[in-house]
Amino acid sequence: AQSVTQPDIHITVSEGASLELRCNYSYGATPYLFWYVQSPGQGLQLLLKYFSGDTLVQGIKGFEAEFKRSQSSFNLRKPSVHWSDAAEYFCAVDFREGSYIPTFGRGTSLIVHP
Amino acid sequence: EAGVTQSPTHLIKTRGQQATLRCSPISGHTSVYWYQQALGLGLQFLLWYDEGEERNRGNFPPRFSGRQFPNYSSELNVNALELEDSALYLCASSLEGEGVKLFFGSGTQLSVL
Repeated sequence: AQSVTQPDIHITVSEGASLELRCNYSYGATPYLFWYVQSPGQGLQLLLKYFSGDTLVQGIKGFEAEFKRSQSSFNLRKPSVHWSDAAEYFCAVDFREGSYIPTFGRGTSLIVHP
Repeated sequence: EAGVTQSPTHLIKTRGQQATLRCSPISGHTSVYWYQQALGLGLQFLLWYDEGEERNRGNFPPRFSGRQFPNYSSELNVNALELEDSALYLCASSLEGEGVKLFFGSGTQLSVL
């Protein structure tokens, strides 16, 4: 079955430190890949997406993500975290198999220490 | 431009009752998706509507149902509520053909007592 794995339930970083959130998916073809952020009490906001082309994509709020086909991964990165980045982050994958239903990972909760 | 709006923000019901949740998509968006976000389980796909038709449904029992109206707004109905239905229900809309870039509402928090 198609699945999306975010292996880290919680990540704690200090403000100003770099960040990498991991995402792996279980499928051989090239799907559409997304990262969303959810602040407390809010819906999800799209940070960035990858459809094709350059495997390093830039998003909003200084985030970037790199698609690595050989590793079936789409990790999210930010060079310097701000306290306002504390939120829940979701990786989503559209496996492009007729249904066009994005499958979401379980999310990673980012905690930022001052 | 107004985003995706959901109502009510909070809903409290008791076991066995029915709940109705509503969603208005972004103007011009024809697709509406419903997701359930239970604590610690991430987002689970419930239903997808496009152009008034149900296009797909997730692995949920038939007591979860819905519809999409001619103005593309949507309604999610949950019958015979159970305690485990307590969750945040998120609606998202998209323009078909845009690689399913979803725009989410803030959700309806359903609590079943």
